Amino acid sequence: QSALTQPASVSGSPGQSITISCTGTSSDVGSYNLVSWYQQHPGKAPKLMIYEGSKRPSGVSNRFSGSRSGNTASLTLSGLQAEDEANYYCCSYAGTSTWVFGGGTKLTVL
Amino acid sequence: QVQLVQSGAEVKKPGASVRVSCKASGYTFTDYYMHWVRQAPGQGLEWMGRINPNSGGTNYAQNFQGRVTMTRDTSITTAYIELSRLRSDDTAVYYCTNPGAGSWFDSWGQGTLVTVSS
Repeated sequence: QSALTQPASVSGSPGQSITISCTGTSSDVGSYNLVSWYQQHPGKAPKLMIYEGSKRPSGVSNRFSGSRSGNTASLTLSGLQAEDEANYYCCSYAGTSTWVFGGGTKLTVL
Repeated sequence: QVQLVQSGAEVKKPGASVRVSCKASGYTFTDYYMHWVRQAPGQGLEWMGRINPNSGGTNYAQNFQGRVTMTRDTSITTAYIELSRLRSDDTAVYYCTNPGAGSWFDSWGQGTLVTVSS
């Protein structure tokens, strides 16, 4: 099972919007609407930000949104804030009771 | 609320085995799978497998087949992961995580650092 493909890094200025892509295959992202996104600050455990492709857990800012098209899922952050600077990981159900994560994207707020 | 508390850091020699525990509280332990995810220093997250605390049934990632064993003790609501034949590249933080009723991970343990070094 290969890791999902994410850009290594993205950056944006405060107030801007950025999008992080997550590319899988027809066996994972393309087959199931079960992509989730996680934010991880250094030294901390991951935090769920988006599930089922586009749903936000209670307490997560509506500046975070998710979408999926074909084998690619995307996470969009609008109105960037300094506190958004972190690593972001996508994850997808991959069938046969397995899951796969992306390699991670480091978001830098300039 | 769901709380997952993991055991402390471990230092092991290559070829040894390590067992990490994850004590669950705040929900019915046997209702939801427990998954394990690891993160090597400076690297990304890697899904390792899951255990059904009710039946004990397991699903492991192909990368760990034959080296990983997940178990649980329902009497003390604790899940365990054991990794054998440790190598230096097994040095990582190991997390337990609970997906609740879904296929996403909304509760995480604090992580356990396992260092493999001669």
